[in-house]
Amino acid sequence: NAGVMQNPRHLVRRRGQEARLRCSPMKGHSHVYWYRQLPEEGLKFMVYLQKENIIDESGMPKERFSAEFPKEGPSILRIQQVVRGDSAAYFCASSRPGTGRENEQFFGPGTRLTVL
Amino acid sequence: AQSVSQHNHHVILSEAASLELGCNYSYGGTVNLFWYVQYPGQHLQLLLKYFSGDPLVKGIKGFEAEFIKSKFSFNLRKPSVQWSDTAEYFCAVRSGGYQKVTFGIGTKLQVIP
Repeated sequence: NAGVMQNPRHLVRRRGQEARLRCSPMKGHSHVYWYRQLPEEGLKFMVYLQKENIIDESGMPKERFSAEFPKEGPSILRIQQVVRGDSAAYFCASSRPGTGRENEQFFGPGTRLTVL
Repeated sequence: AQSVSQHNHHVILSEAASLELGCNYSYGGTVNLFWYVQYPGQHLQLLLKYFSGDPLVKGIKGFEAEFIKSKFSFNLRKPSVQWSDTAEYFCAVRSGGYQKVTFGIGTKLQVIP
């Protein structure tokens, strides 16, 4: 049973380019979460999605960042016109529905974005 | 809004020393508490979690944590660390009925052989 998959693992972009980060949740998981880990900081929640719905985007920057989780395919975190400050590790997690003990979030390996 | 404080950002221990990493959270309602570990070059893994019941929770690799509700704390402990425990440790909180998990800033543990 494959875990949460993220690709690419490393992404290098120049300022002004677009970055697309992909996350495939674990089998049977319909909830996806994106977190950002800046250098020397903890993980910060960005957005929580279910299939075709954004449930909570309170941690997303207001501009340039967007996320989707289509009916088919992986979840995508999109960063337009990247700036150096976007350099970070972006982690995706997935879970089954609900908030009980069985709904632990499982994390992917992360995508390390470097903006030159 | 809930928040999580980890007081030790960088800890250096010799092998066989005892470990205690502090974690305090700010939320008055029902909480789920977690400790995650991130080994160098690897992704986050769950060490242990508390949902309800016995406040002393045992996790993998000999780790345990104690939930003290009156102190809003969930400290991580291990009686005798090994070099392989060198990693970054994150405390996290999820408030009851809500999916978002709030993480602490993390504690980097370095164990010297």
